[in-house]
Amino acid sequence: EAQVTQNPRYLITVTGKKLTVTCSQNMNHEYMSWYRQDPGLGLRQIYYSMNVEVTDKGDVPEGYKVSRKEKRNFPLILESPSPNQTSLYFCASSPMDRGDYGYTFGSGTRLTVV
Amino acid sequence: GNSVTQMEGPVTLSEEAFLTINCTYTATGYPSLFWYVQYPGEGLQLLLKATKADDKGSNKGFEATYRKETTSFHLEKGSVQVSDSAVYFCALSKGIRAAGNKLTFGGGTRVLVKP
Repeated sequence: EAQVTQNPRYLITVTGKKLTVTCSQNMNHEYMSWYRQDPGLGLRQIYYSMNVEVTDKGDVPEGYKVSRKEKRNFPLILESPSPNQTSLYFCASSPMDRGDYGYTFGSGTRLTVV
Repeated sequence: GNSVTQMEGPVTLSEEAFLTINCTYTATGYPSLFWYVQYPGEGLQLLLKATKADDKGSNKGFEATYRKETTSFHLEKGSVQVSDSAVYFCALSKGIRAAGNKLTFGGGTRVLVKP
């Protein structure tokens, strides 16, 4: 089954403790992206990657890092999480040559930073 | 820059009522337009899309028509069911060359259908 897999689904952590949210897709998509969803703000792009070793900032990159060492994986790293990063996070992927494709989304990771 | 505006919710309806969710966009050129649906506790799923002016996207009884002249992509369904209760997101993409394949989302509209 074609899918984007995120882990974990739920995470509660303390301020300052580094964490990684993993994302993997099995569709051989070049493009991958991270979004956060907050009430009243919709979805905002954090980082994206157009291919292996090619990443770029989205609209709200502060406090986050990403890497793309393999085509299928695109982890989101919070080096020193803060309470304002409490949010629902989605990873998504799409083929690069299809601007009309839209995205395939993962099921989401609900992060709480206390 | 690109932006999407959709009506704020929540929208509360009775079963079998007619649903309309307004969506307008700001973008140059000819973006692709999408509606995504998010059921409680789940990720976003593509509901329908349209890639050029006057195209109509449809799926699961939902429809939306790409109106270039009014820069709109309103979502409609003639007879909603309780199972249609969800959050609906309108989105646009300018494609790879223009914006790195980025999807720009509206704020989402929560729909609650009561039996």
